[in-house]
Amino acid sequence: NAGVTQTPKFQVLKTGQSMTLQCAQDMNHNSMYWYRQDPGMGLRLIYYSASEGTTDKGEVPNGYNVSRLNKREFSLRLESAAPSQTSVYFCASLSRDIFQPQHFGDGTRLSIL
Amino acid sequence: KNEVEQSPQNLTAQEGEFITINCSYSVGISALHWLQQHPGGGIVSLFMLSSGKKKHGRLIATINIQEKHSSLHITASHPRDSAVYICAAFLMDSNYQLIWGAGTKLIIKP
Repeated sequence: NAGVTQTPKFQVLKTGQSMTLQCAQDMNHNSMYWYRQDPGMGLRLIYYSASEGTTDKGEVPNGYNVSRLNKREFSLRLESAAPSQTSVYFCASLSRDIFQPQHFGDGTRLSIL
Repeated sequence: KNEVEQSPQNLTAQEGEFITINCSYSVGISALHWLQQHPGGGIVSLFMLSSGKKKHGRLIATINIQEKHSSLHITASHPRDSAVYICAAFLMDSNYQLIWGAGTKLIIKP
């Protein structure tokens, strides 16, 4: 049981480059989330998807797009990377029962030069 | 003012001490979530609760809905408990949106 799988684990980009962070969960969860965590800071929600086919902006959506490809997969895209987007990105999933634990991926460490 | 506030921000204690981390919120919530983030960065869910008290090993979480306050307690603390502890609240009537506390960095010295 892999849980939540994020790829890649590390990435270095140049300013202006684009990339997509992939996230997949195998727990049949309905809700999926993308967070960023800057050094010494708490988690901030970028986008979330309460169910397949829906996405909603979180606290810091600017500069990002998401796709809920199917129930398993929720991707995060940076169209034109900026140094301010250097961060650790976490994907998470949650079942419809909010009293079940939220499961997190191991994170993607992204550096924008 | 943040809708979910944690205290203290940092806590250093000696091995064996009883630890209390507090979380207060100012909005209506459906449930409150306690998580642990280890220095390596991995995040683990500890408890989800909407009322009363839950216990798992040396960890105890309580919530008082009327007072809009939750606490996480660690008994017989150990250096391996050193981590950042985070509370997050599910907003009532929201679309599974969570509001996050800033975290409490706990260091347990041997």
